[in-house]
Amino acid sequence: NAGVTQTPKFRILKIGQSMTLQCTQDMNHNYMYWYRQDPGMGLKLIYYSVGAGITDKGEVPNGYNVSRSTTEDFPLRLELAAPSQTSVYFCASSRQGANQPQHFGDGTRLSIL
Amino acid sequence: AQSVAQPEDQVNVAEGNPLTVKCTYSVSGNPYLFWYVQYPNRGLQFLLKYITGDNLVKGSYGFEAEFNKSQTSFHLKKPSALVSDSALYFCAVRDDEDSSYKLIFGSGTRLLVRP
Repeated sequence: NAGVTQTPKFRILKIGQSMTLQCTQDMNHNYMYWYRQDPGMGLKLIYYSVGAGITDKGEVPNGYNVSRSTTEDFPLRLELAAPSQTSVYFCASSRQGANQPQHFGDGTRLSIL
Repeated sequence: AQSVAQPEDQVNVAEGNPLTVKCTYSVSGNPYLFWYVQYPNRGLQFLLKYITGDNLVKGSYGFEAEFNKSQTSFHLKKPSALVSDSALYFCAVRDDEDSSYKLIFGSGTRLLVRP
């Protein structure tokens, strides 16, 4: 039972490089989310999606892009990596409904040098 | 605007003693409240939730939480702590008036249970 799978687990980028963080879920959840976690700051929502073809900005979307072509996949794109994007990134998914908990992947630890 | 506060960065407790991790919230409508636990190098795991009904909610691993509407609080509790409960705990709130179902997280409280 895989749940939410994120790849890669770790990555080091140079300033200005680009990369895509992958996220896939096998629970047929409509809702998917991307968060970043910085020390002592909790989780901040970057982007979210309520279904295939529909995405929207969260609290901290600048410097990121997303797409949702299928129910299962929700990749996060960094176009021009900056040191401020050094963080741990978590993908989550949930069923539709305000009472539904979110299910998280194990995260991608990203360092921009 | 929705917000969550976890006033303690760290809670220390001896094994076998009761533990409490505090959480207060602010929403425009009615709150949906959640507790998550995070172990090192892992994602957040769902512990329990309050939607409506009984103010005392029971969840995984013997944890429970008490919803107090007048104090806008949702404190996490466990009658007898285990060393294995040591982890980072997050409280989160969702406003029932927000159709995006976004969760707002607190900054986290590190629980350290000493043997």
